[in-house]
Formats: sequence, structure tokens, C-alpha cells
Amino acid sequence: EAQVTQNPRYLITVTGKKLTVTCSQNMNHEYMSWYRQDPGLGLRQIYYSMNVEVTDKGDVPEGYKVSRKEKRNFPLILESPSPNQTSLYFCASSSNRGDTEAFFGQGTRLTVV
Amino acid sequence: GNSVTQMEGPVTLSEEAFLTINCTYTATGYPSLFWYVQYPGEGLQLLLKATKADDKGSNKGFEATYRKETTSFHLEKGSVQVSDSAVYFCALRTGGGNKLTFGTGTQLKVEL
Repeated sequence: EAQVTQNPRYLITVTGKKLTVTCSQNMNHEYMSWYRQDPGLGLRQIYYSMNVEVTDKGDVPEGYKVSRKEKRNFPLILESPSPNQTSLYFCASSSNRGDTEAFFGQGTRLTVV
Repeated sequence: GNSVTQMEGPVTLSEEAFLTINCTYTATGYPSLFWYVQYPGEGLQLLLKATKADDKGSNKGFEATYRKETTSFHLEKGSVQVSDSAVYFCALRTGGGNKLTFGTGTQLKVEL
């Protein structure tokens, strides 16, 4: 079954404590990205990756890091989380070929206190 | 830059009512247009798409027509069901890239 898997689904952490949200896809997709969803703002792209070892900033990259060492994995790293990073996060993947569908993970609800 | 504007929600309808969720866009070039649906506690799923002007995307009784002259992609369904209760996102993608630009989402609640 084609899927994008994120972990954890829910996370409560304290300000400044480094955390990683993992994302893995089983469709051999080249393109992966991270979005955050906030009320009234829709989904905004944080970072994206066109392929292994190729990453770039999206619209709201401040406070986040990513890496793409393997094609299937695209972890999101918050080195020093702050309360304004409390949000619902989604990982997505798609093929670079033409006009293809993007597949989304189930989301990670992060609360930073 | 690219942007998508959706009607404000929440929208509350009775079962079997007609649904319209408005979506307009601003984009450079000729975007592909999408509707995604997010059921409670789940990620986004592609509902339908259209890749060029006058194309009609359809799925599960939902339809949307790509109107270049009005830069719109309104979502419609003739008879909604309780199971259609979800958040609906309009989105676009331009050029050969993969980045999706989303609207703010419209929450739909269908009651018996």
C-alpha cells in the first residue's frame, strides 16, 4: 500500500528541547516536503527536497532543519523549539514526473510549552 | 506570487443539500488546480484535479471546473452526505515544480 508515514502522531515538548519528526515514504518518490497547518492560514511549506542530498527552503523555514540522506526518509528537525512552532505538521511526497498526485502523511500535532 | 483564496467556513448543510465551495486563484503561468479533503484526524487526500482550462475534475460526486477567464475552481456536489463532513482545501501547482500552494481550507459539516 502506498503511504507516507510520520512519527510521532502527537508530541508535547518544552521550549528548547531538540526534537525530530520522522517521515518515510514507500513509493520511491523523488520529491518530499514538510508543511505546517495553522488555523486561518492553511498549509504553508517549510522545506522541500527534490532528491537525495538536495533540500531547499519553503515559505516558512525559520527554526527548522531537514536532511535527505536516503530517498525514502525526510526528517524534520527542530533544534530549539519555541511555542510559536506549536502546530500540525504534514509530510508529503510526489514523483517528479509530470502532473502527479501528492501523498500526505497523517500529521504530527506538536505542542511546545 | 501564487495565491489561493477560499470562502470562509465553517459551512453547515443538511444532508442532501447542494454544496458549493468557492475557490479563486492568482498564479503566474498556467497552474494545475486541485481539491484536497482532510477527514478528522487524517492527512490530506486528493479529491480531484484539473490541469488545463475548461477541464472538469470529478470524484465521489464532487466536481470542479477550471475557469481561466474567472481564475476560479469552485467545488460542487449535488447532494451531500454526513460522511462528506471534512475540511476542503483548494490548491494550485505551477510549471514543472511540485510545490503546492494551498488556500486556508473550508470546514464542511453535514447534519441529518
